[in-house]
Amino acid sequence: DTEVTQTPKHLVMGMTNKKSLKCEQHMGHRAMYWYKQKAKKPPELMFVYSYEKLSINESVPSRFSPECPNSSLLNLHLHALQPEDSALYLCASSQLGGRTGELFFGEGSRLTVL
Amino acid sequence: GEDVEQSLFLSVREGDSSVINCTYTDSSSTYLYWYKQEPGAGLQLLTYIFSNMDMKQDQRLTVLLNKKDKHLSLRIADTQTGDSAIYFCAERRSGYSTLTFGKGTMLLVSP
Repeated sequence: DTEVTQTPKHLVMGMTNKKSLKCEQHMGHRAMYWYKQKAKKPPELMFVYSYEKLSINESVPSRFSPECPNSSLLNLHLHALQPEDSALYLCASSQLGGRTGELFFGEGSRLTVL
Repeated sequence: GEDVEQSLFLSVREGDSSVINCTYTDSSSTYLYWYKQEPGAGLQLLTYIFSNMDMKQDQRLTVLLNKKDKHLSLRIADTQTGDSAIYFCAERRSGYSTLTFGKGTMLLVSP
């Protein structure tokens, strides 16, 4: 199984809603990532978890709250978002200490904030 | 300036070869990657090259690395309409687990 699975694929929410994005992998990877991607732009790193601990937070606003309940799951909790937060949110995973270090990406969750 | 630079657009005819170029600035980069992104989809890893190699071939894909000039290229032989996508090069710097992406090159293949 070389897949990273993200749910939901599409999400529309109002600025007062609370929702969550979910990500799952069963490759035994111990690093998991959240990226944000706007249209026609490269992915921008948001968070990195290593061994289920938050290791990198790229100065992301607190209305985005990541959670890594176990080594296979990564969540992104959303609250009081703004319309400019509308984007494709990509989850990725990789081996830690692996030789090649490639990231495996999910298909993304497309978020629209009204 | 950007750490990883790519030309933004390339248009080719079906059956031709495509060459997508990338330059990076960090000489400590250990691995360099090419990802493909189709519309509305995630990023698919196509291939990667270790910084001590100068060429890697994988079926229709050939990666060339000029470490002296910090230049990376991806050649797609016999380009097909299904190859139309955005191609991102990315570098992994020594000691880092994260990747730095270029802005992406949109490849358009016409019949």
